[in-house]
Amino acid sequence: QVQLQESGPGLVKPSETLSLTCTVSGGSVTSGSYYWSWIRQPPGKGLEWIGYISYIGSTNYNPSLKSRVTISVGTSNNQFSLRLNSVTTADTAVYYCARDPLEGAADVWGQGTLVTVSS
Amino acid sequence: DIQMTQSPSSVSASVGDRVTITCRASQGVSSWLAWYQQKPGKAPKLLIYGASSLQSGAPARFSGSGSGTDFTLTISNLQPEDFAIYYCQQAHTFPWTFGQGTKVEI
Repeated sequence: QVQLQESGPGLVKPSETLSLTCTVSGGSVTSGSYYWSWIRQPPGKGLEWIGYISYIGSTNYNPSLKSRVTISVGTSNNQFSLRLNSVTTADTAVYYCARDPLEGAADVWGQGTLVTVSS
Repeated sequence: DIQMTQSPSSVSASVGDRVTITCRASQGVSSWLAWYQQKPGKAPKLLIYGASSLQSGAPARFSGSGSGTDFTLTISNLQPEDFAIYYCQQAHTFPWTFGQGTKVEI
């Protein structure tokens, strides 16, 4: 049973870089046929797809964030990461990592981690 | 971006009721449409993918239909644990986009 867990700082200052890691238990980011995604949800609001990295290492990002976002595989094949540069208070959200078996639908999600952008 | 519009924004229902939620895409998404359920403080849970395929483990009282621009999620025989927010999401065109959510409440 694959499980995902987000980790990283819960507080980031404006203009700095938000960095989160998703650890995959019971699986590998580089095996199987999956998209590994990041999705966020501002407090009390809806969901926004940030982007994904595929099992072969290709990436796709939301154009609204493309200039600031990087998704990469971690040093171990059971982790993938999100970096979001030059954050503002508008980037305050619960950040989720998720797995998509190439169906365009996320079937496994992490529990989510709240990141607050504040000085 | 493809805009996903759900209706209604909220619906009041009772246990045992049949509830229908509609999702309309601003342009055709074929069958690349998923439905999720989200409860307070929890991650979304996949219910339906490919517009009408029931995700493994999701109760059979959930069903999805539609293609192109108009989609429906139906919950038959509403149960207490079904009170939540429901989101549709298209995966036909990048960026993948979600509807604004429909709250099913008592």
